[in-house]
Parts: sequence; structure tokens; C-alpha cells
Amino acid sequence: NAGVMQNPRHLVRRRGQEARLRCSPMKGHSHVYWYRQLPEEGLKFMVYLQKENIIDESGMPKERFSAEFPKEGPSILRIQQVVRGDSAAYFCASSSKSPGQGAGNTIYFGEGSWLTVV
Amino acid sequence: AQTVTQSQPEMSVQEAETVTLSCTYDTSESNYYLFWYKQPPSRQMILVIRQEAYKQQNATENRFSVNFQKAAKSFSLKISDSQLGDTAMYFCASSTSGTYKYIFGTGTRLKVLA
Repeated sequence: NAGVMQNPRHLVRRRGQEARLRCSPMKGHSHVYWYRQLPEEGLKFMVYLQKENIIDESGMPKERFSAEFPKEGPSILRIQQVVRGDSAAYFCASSSKSPGQGAGNTIYFGEGSWLTVV
Repeated sequence: AQTVTQSQPEMSVQEAETVTLSCTYDTSESNYYLFWYKQPPSRQMILVIRQEAYKQQNATENRFSVNFQKAAKSFSLKISDSQLGDTAMYFCASSTSGTYKYIFGTGTRLKVLA
């Protein structure tokens, strides 16, 4: 039973380019979460998506960042016109149920994607 | 707002010894969950142990156990018989029941010495 799969694991982009990070949730999971980990910090919530819906994007920067989870295919976190401050680890997590449906709030993390902006 | 505080940036322990990592949290909610995650050099986030606030019994997973003091809002992690593979960053996190936002502490870097 494959876990949460993220790719690429490492991505280098020049300032001004676009970064696309992909996440395939665990089999049977339809709830996806993105977190960001800046250097020497803990993870911070960015966005929660279900298939074809953004449920909560309160942690997303207002500009340049977007996320989607289409009916088919992985969830995508897209960062346009990257800047050095976007350099971080981006973690995707998934769950089988929405919070409050008895899943016990446990979400399962992928191995992360490390974005370096040069 | 929920907060999670880890006051020990770094710790070290001799192999086979026991070490305790501290975590305090603040929440106004009555039902919530607490977690300890391990992040080894591979940087993967691995769930170590989980505690449900309404359960008074401390959670245990093999060599890992917690000391959950609800009134003091303290949630420490005890690692017994430390192994070299326990070397990692350890993050404490909380989540309110019915939500999906985890609040993470800043982490404790644990080094197990041979």
C-alpha cells in the first residue's frame, strides 16, 4: 500500500520561474493538505483540498501560489515567479476522511519536495 | 489561537539511555489531538505517537511513550533504550478535533551518541 507520493523530491528554480509540485495521496484518500517548512522551522499549514474543491486556503500566500486537486491525477501546488524566500520543503499529506468523520485527525505525510530558488 | 512550544532546540543522549523531550501547548478547545513526529536526515515526516486529549491514559508505542499532563498543557516524549536510528528532529504538534490544521512546534534536534 503505497504512501503519499510527492515529486519531484528536489527542484531548483531561478528567480522568476515557475515551480510545480505534485502529490498523489494514499490509495483511497480523497483529502489532501499542503504544508510548508521553512529552514529551521516547523511545518505550517497552507491549503486543504478535496477532489475538485479548495476547502481552506487560509495559509496560502495571497499572490503567486495556487493549488488544485483535479478529478483525475495528482494534486498540484504551483508557485509562479519564484523568489528566494520560497525556498523551503513542501509537504503533502492525505487522509481518508474529513476531520470530524472519526478519522481521529491523523493525516499521513509524504516525503516532501525541496524547492531551492537561486 | 493554538500554540505549540518546544523549548529545547537540541539534545543529546547516549545510546541505550533514556531521554525526554518537552512540549507545551495552549488551546481553548476541549477536544484535541497531540502528536510527535520524527524527521530524520531523509527529511520524511514520520508519525511517532498520537494522544487524544479526552483519554487520560498516556499513549505508548514500543520504546516511545508520552507524559500527558492536561491541566499543565504539557506533552513530553520519552524515548527509552535510545538507538542511533533515533537521531532526528522531533516535532510536537496539536490539532483541534474536527479540523485539519496541525500546529507544529519549532522542533528539538536529538542526537544519539554511540
